[in-house]
Amino acid sequence: KAGVTQTPRYLIKTRGQQVTLSCSPISGHRSVSWYQQTPGQGLQFLFEYFSETQRNKGNFPGRFSGRQFSNSRSEMNVSTLELGDSALYLCASSFGQEGAGELFFGEGSRLTVL
Amino acid sequence: AQSVAQPEDQVNVAEGNPLTVKCTYSVSGNPYLFWYVQYPNRGLQFLLKYITGDNLVKGSYGFEAEFNKSQTSFHLKKPSALVSDSALYFCAVRDMPGSNTGKLIFGQGTTLQVKP
Repeated sequence: KAGVTQTPRYLIKTRGQQVTLSCSPISGHRSVSWYQQTPGQGLQFLFEYFSETQRNKGNFPGRFSGRQFSNSRSEMNVSTLELGDSALYLCASSFGQEGAGELFFGEGSRLTVL
Repeated sequence: AQSVAQPEDQVNVAEGNPLTVKCTYSVSGNPYLFWYVQYPNRGLQFLLKYITGDNLVKGSYGFEAEFNKSQTSFHLKKPSALVSDSALYFCAVRDMPGSNTGKLIFGQGTTLQVKP
């Protein structure tokens, strides 16, 4: 069974640009969550999508947005990039319908903003 | 608000010795607790979880964790450490107890260093 796939794995952008990251969940999983990981702030929750609807949202500015497609694949977008957006962005999937289920994480997309 | 704390930034242990990585939590209601491991430049790998039932939970790669409600702790343990266990370990709690949300609250992480 294929795991969670994130693309691209690495990318470099400059300030002011925008970026789109993609996540393909494990087959059958309907929930996709996004996390930002930085050395200073650790792992922080961005948002969660379930059946194409945003179900939860973290405390990030509106420059961070996401969506989910009917096949459960998800994308997140960051507009007007800032230096502080440099981070590892992790996507996680789960069935999303039972509380005991763990999240399965992808390898992450490492974003560097210059 | 739910929270978890990992009081040690780094734990050093000799190969073959037992290891413990500490985690304490603060939640309202019954917690859903998780341990994940992260190797350099990789995503998080699930190790084990506590939902309910037996306080001693067994997981992947020989790891186990003990849930202690009175001490609000969920320490990760392994009887005999391997050099390959060296990694970053995260304790996490589901944001809303009993829910199915994909939002986990993570501790700050503990680096485990196992020396040969």
